[in-house]
Amino acid sequence: AQSVTQLDSHVSVSEGTPVLLRCNYSSSYSPSLFWYVQHPNKGLQLLLKYTSAATLVKGINGFEAEFKKSETSFHLTKPSAHMSDAAEYFCVVSESGNQFYFGTGTSLTVIP
Amino acid sequence: DTAVSQTPKYLVTQMGNDKSIKCEQNLGHDTMYWYKQDSKKFLKIMFSYNNKELIINETVPNRFSPKSPDKAHLNLHINSLELGDSAVYFCASSQEAAGGFIGYTFGSGTRLTVV
Repeated sequence: AQSVTQLDSHVSVSEGTPVLLRCNYSSSYSPSLFWYVQHPNKGLQLLLKYTSAATLVKGINGFEAEFKKSETSFHLTKPSAHMSDAAEYFCVVSESGNQFYFGTGTSLTVIP
Repeated sequence: DTAVSQTPKYLVTQMGNDKSIKCEQNLGHDTMYWYKQDSKKFLKIMFSYNNKELIINETVPNRFSPKSPDKAHLNLHINSLELGDSAVYFCASSQEAAGGFIGYTFGSGTRLTVV
């Protein structure tokens, strides 16, 4: 069975400070993991994905995530938040390629 | 070029009506999906088709019927719409490759409002 837990439903940071969005997963096999971002009234956009290659994955817009098997985590980070980063972020896990499980989302607020 | 396109983008309709949402992907992917995003932003898979064959059918009322005329299209038809069907529906496609996925792409969503 696979599942994903986003530990924070809401995160608020000041512009220019680091961002950390936490995600833990459970999976019976080696999963593929993704982070997606959804801006208000927009569709989902892929930020980055892990598919058993390098454990540190770099994505778009300065985001990166580190796959830690021992901790079953795939936290999303960014060194310096920008106002345009304010959005909803989804962590996604998949084992088979035919089923993808979404976390419940983390809403990121960036304070000027 | 739009990779996964859904139409319409917005749909407002009365209870009891029948409506369809269309989805097309030009990525050459083998698998397509429909997700429902509820008011709390949580996305839940509804259906998945692989090469026009239904492979995932989650617990969804049978008023919802997916149709895949070819592997590039997956339409969602909803009969007798209810207030609780109001949500954003996302279409997606994917292609599995050795070592993982070469792409998993969402459409921009269809916001359905039932009044």
